[in-house]
Amino acid sequence: GIQVEQSPPDLILQEGANSTLRCNFSDSVNNLQWFHQNPWGQLINLFYIPSGTKQNGRLSATTVATERYSLLYISSSQTTDSGVYFCAVAHTGTASKLTFGTGTRLQVTL
Amino acid sequence: GAVVSQHPSWVICKSGTSVKIECRSLDFQATTMFWYRQFPKQSLMLMATSNEGSKATYEQGVEKDKFLINHASLTLSTLTVTSAHPEDSSFYICSARGGGQVSYNSPLHFGNGTRLTVT
Repeated sequence: GIQVEQSPPDLILQEGANSTLRCNFSDSVNNLQWFHQNPWGQLINLFYIPSGTKQNGRLSATTVATERYSLLYISSSQTTDSGVYFCAVAHTGTASKLTFGTGTRLQVTL
Repeated sequence: GAVVSQHPSWVICKSGTSVKIECRSLDFQATTMFWYRQFPKQSLMLMATSNEGSKATYEQGVEKDKFLINHASLTLSTLTVTSAHPEDSSFYICSARGGGQVSYNSPLHFGNGTRLTVT
């Protein structure tokens, strides 16, 4: 099956700092989503971005499908950004079954 | 729109009993829903694909007789953990494709999950 690797695995930021999270995948995809999982386990859908660039407030994401990676940018981080960030992809032809990446655990400190 | 509701949010049961988890699409019809499991500090792993009106498709290594899935309507899928054991304790999350779109190229929306503890 498709492999999805995220980096870095862990990240500690001071409030106000910027960061870039990376997601590499091993094959062609027709769906890519970024999620934030909060401490209660809820998955918050950040972006649906199989290709191109999108922005939503302090967050933006870019997917370069031909090179099989996606980036999530967090600017001016806040303590509420803490949690685990997952990218998930659907391998082309797999009827939108999402395979989740390994995750990046982010801690934003004061 | 595209809200997925999951119930219960947490459950504690004794070893050997069965537990049913419900996943509902509140404002759209979902012909396909997906069930995931997440162990502490790990990623989400797909367990099975639930298809309305037909049998579920299970991922390799998932026991279909232990994790019974029923998708009897376009808005409800249920996962029953039968004869639960402590090793079944986990976080279970369902998802569905939203908004009546039939294309595979559309986002999946997730429920808030169910934390199961088997004592």
